[in-house]
Amino acid sequence: QKEVEQDPGPLSVPEGAIVSLNCTYSNSAFQYFMWYRQYSRKGPELLMYTYSSGNKEDGRFTAQVDKSSKYISLFIRDSQPSDSATYLCAMSAVHAGGTSYGKLTFGQGTILTVHP
Amino acid sequence: DGGITQSPKYLFRKEGQNVTLSCEQNLNHDAMYWYRQDPGQGLRLIYYSQIVNDFQKGDIAEGYSVSREKKESFPLTVTSAQKNPTAFYLCASSQGDRETQYFGPGTRLLVL
Repeated sequence: QKEVEQDPGPLSVPEGAIVSLNCTYSNSAFQYFMWYRQYSRKGPELLMYTYSSGNKEDGRFTAQVDKSSKYISLFIRDSQPSDSATYLCAMSAVHAGGTSYGKLTFGQGTILTVHP
Repeated sequence: DGGITQSPKYLFRKEGQNVTLSCEQNLNHDAMYWYRQDPGQGLRLIYYSQIVNDFQKGDIAEGYSVSREKKESFPLTVTSAQKNPTAFYLCASSQGDRETQYFGPGTRLLVL
């Protein structure tokens, strides 16, 4: 079983729809949670970064973390064609001494297409 | 303009050949990372370096080597021991909060 599971999709939605992207994980040591957006043939760019359980909002994007269920989500409101990309969840564990060493574990990525 | 540059954009490797991928950053970041991305898969960590002259193996280090002689540079060599090198290679860097990693544009490696 992979430490992080992400539905690869592909996911196709009409412009203006609310999009829900999800990841589940098995490692209880994961404490930091991130969402990256990757356009075709480009490097990933950081969208959202959260540490605690709950919601974090940034414009049209909301990241949700439920540590008790080991489940994280990214919601995109009023989706636009420019949101069409692969979305990757990533997480890291805190080791002894309180550091993570920056070792991220990524999900497989979900391919999203928003059509006009 | 601050950022991470990777070169070349495309690289072709012949059987038995070692090839080196370049990664340079001018963000003054201490930590640098190399990832491999295969179709339909997430990123997998190859090597990482927290400071100059020090680096650690990631999850899939076999067949790869790195050096970190300068803070701004972290080249990756794909050796002939890597039997399945075709992939998209991504370099990243971070500072302080190690989880906030910034990625370069990537190098696509193909085998002839």
